[in-house]
Amino acid sequence: GNSVTQMEGPVTLSEEAFLTINCTYTATGYPSLFWYVQYPGEGLQLLLKATKADDKGSNKGFEATYRKETTSFHLEKGSVQVSDSAVYFCALSDPNTGANSKLTFGKGITLSVRP
Amino acid sequence: DSGVTQTPKHLITATGQRVTLRCSPRSGDLSVYWYQQSLDQGLQFLIQYYNGEERAKGNILERFSAQQFPDLHSELNLSSLELGDSALYFCASSADRGRGNTGELFFGEGSRLTVL
Repeated sequence: GNSVTQMEGPVTLSEEAFLTINCTYTATGYPSLFWYVQYPGEGLQLLLKATKADDKGSNKGFEATYRKETTSFHLEKGSVQVSDSAVYFCALSDPNTGANSKLTFGKGITLSVRP
Repeated sequence: DSGVTQTPKHLITATGQRVTLRCSPRSGDLSVYWYQQSLDQGLQFLIQYYNGEERAKGNILERFSAQQFPDLHSELNLSSLELGDSALYFCASSADRGRGNTGELFFGEGSRLTVL
């Protein structure tokens, strides 16, 4: 079945540090890939997405590139801020069910940014 | 604000009891999804409904059931509750392809269930 593997956390960084959060996936076919963010006490919000190989999703300074050859979708940000402290989830859609597909999530990783 | 509404936000109950969680999807979304988030299991897919019909089933216990009503709101019923059912339960909805679906799910803020 489909699965998503995220690097183990938590991650603690100083403000303005470079961030990389690794995500790899297993799927038959070509899923769409997503990064969601969960701020304390809130629901999940879409951060960025990519729907086909070599697509780059970007939002709020975060970027991730859909790499089919390495089945990866690593999240990066050049300079993190305290306000980026949250839980980050990598997810994929089921490529075999088309639109209105459930998402499979990784376990999530907690990012804490120190001033 | 995602447009997905969940009630109640918090619920404390005892083992053996039954609770109902309610979800109103975004206006016009036909698909509703339920997820369970716990510390040790992460975010687990439970069940999906599309326009009133069950569409996909995940790791949902037999003690749990769900339905989607004609007005598209959904309810998740949890019965014979155990301590291990304590978790955050999320509802999400998605648009149809004709309404610009790009695979994204829109999540509510969740219902936090504590079983004592």
